[in-house]
Amino acid sequence: GAGVSQTPSNKVTEKGKYVELRCDPISGHTALYWYRQSLGQGPEFLIYFQGTGAADDSGLPNDRFFAVRPEGSVSTLKIQRTERGDSAVYLCASSLVAGGYNEQFFGPGTRLTVL
Amino acid sequence: QKEVEQNSGPLSVPEGAIASLNCTYSDRGSQSFFWYRQYSGKSPELIMSIYSNGDKEDGRFTAQLNKASQYVSLLIRDSQPSDSATYLCAVTSGTYKYIFGTGTRLKVLA
Repeated sequence: GAGVSQTPSNKVTEKGKYVELRCDPISGHTALYWYRQSLGQGPEFLIYFQGTGAADDSGLPNDRFFAVRPEGSVSTLKIQRTERGDSAVYLCASSLVAGGYNEQFFGPGTRLTVL
Repeated sequence: QKEVEQNSGPLSVPEGAIASLNCTYSDRGSQSFFWYRQYSGKSPELIMSIYSNGDKEDGRFTAQLNKASQYVSLLIRDSQPSDSATYLCAVTSGTYKYIFGTGTRLKVLA
């Protein structure tokens, strides 16, 4: 595809449930980033991958959050035992490679609502 | 102190005027700076990147960087109502992760 895609676009779940959010980066982009954005805030960094490995996961809020990118392309963000405070828009971005001089391009996001 | 600070606004300017958006950052080691535009309910869209001190122009947009003052700005000339959006400043830090400000909401009045 031409851009970053994310599925689902919306996810409603109940407190305590497990959810998976998927990101498909721009073809050829080796770096992939996950952010979380709450209303009125800027995107908050969660984790980024260079290839298959997590290069920096310092933004993951706790051990309920986990992300994988097994083949260096599609990535899945996994949230266990969801809490109401996890409700936000989860954004994925990709860049050609990881590095400050490489521009990131965002997908449309997944809006997660935890009831 | 937040790592990237922006005035949340709203900043209101009349159509045709110059809009000036400002951003300060705390990490002196930051090397790359980006401006994104975000319409309500949409994801951020890259407008400009700047890496060296000085000005960088692209159409109606000019990014300005002053590393000594840890300051980056975005000027929008001939502002249009379609420019009304939230403008996010992003700065690279450490391991190439981006740190975003909270954004400045711009309203261009017709």
